[in-house]
Amino acid sequence: KAGVTQTPRYLIKTRGQQVTLSCSPISGHRSVSWYQQTPGQGLQFLFEYFSETQRNKGNFPGRFSGRQFSNSRSEMNVSTLELGDSALYLCASSLRQGNTEAFFGQGTRLTVV
Amino acid sequence: DAKTTQPPSMDCAEGRAANLPCNHSTISGNEYVYWYRQIHSQGPQYIIHGLKNNETNEMASLIITEDRKSSTLILPHATLRDTAVYYCIVRAPDSNYQLIWGAGTKLIIKP
Repeated sequence: KAGVTQTPRYLIKTRGQQVTLSCSPISGHRSVSWYQQTPGQGLQFLFEYFSETQRNKGNFPGRFSGRQFSNSRSEMNVSTLELGDSALYLCASSLRQGNTEAFFGQGTRLTVV
Repeated sequence: DAKTTQPPSMDCAEGRAANLPCNHSTISGNEYVYWYRQIHSQGPQYIIHGLKNNETNEMASLIITEDRKSSTLILPHATLRDTAVYYCIVRAPDSNYQLIWGAGTKLIIKP
């Protein structure tokens, strides 16, 4: 069974630009959660999608948004990038909404310059 | 804030058992204890979880005290590949509450 796939693995963007990250969950998993990981703040929850609907949201500004498609694939978008958005963005998939047995992808390393 | 307290770092000799403690004194009756680990530059990996009984799988054992206020993750025969940050998380399953990750324990396995 293929694991969680995140693309791209690495990304460099300029302040003010926007970026879209992609996550393909494990086949059969319907929940996708996104996390931001930085050295200073650790792992922080962004949002969770289940059946194409956002079910849970962390404490991030509206510049961070996401969506989920009918095949459970998910995208995360960050607009008007700031230097502080540089981080490892992790996607996790699980069978059910709120299921804590989550399987994580390798992450996308975003650098904003 | 994370509902768990873990030591920031620990060392263990290769081949020995690694015992990682976690305090969760405010745990509620329906909250499970979950353990994840994150090897450098990779996404976190689920290890094990439990409610009140001790649990064992192919990766580790989880020992939860009778009052459920603390637990210990045991890696029975640590290898160099077990060097990672280990996170202890408590949460009710299938709830709408997000996973709250603390700083974890940096476990270094030494040859």
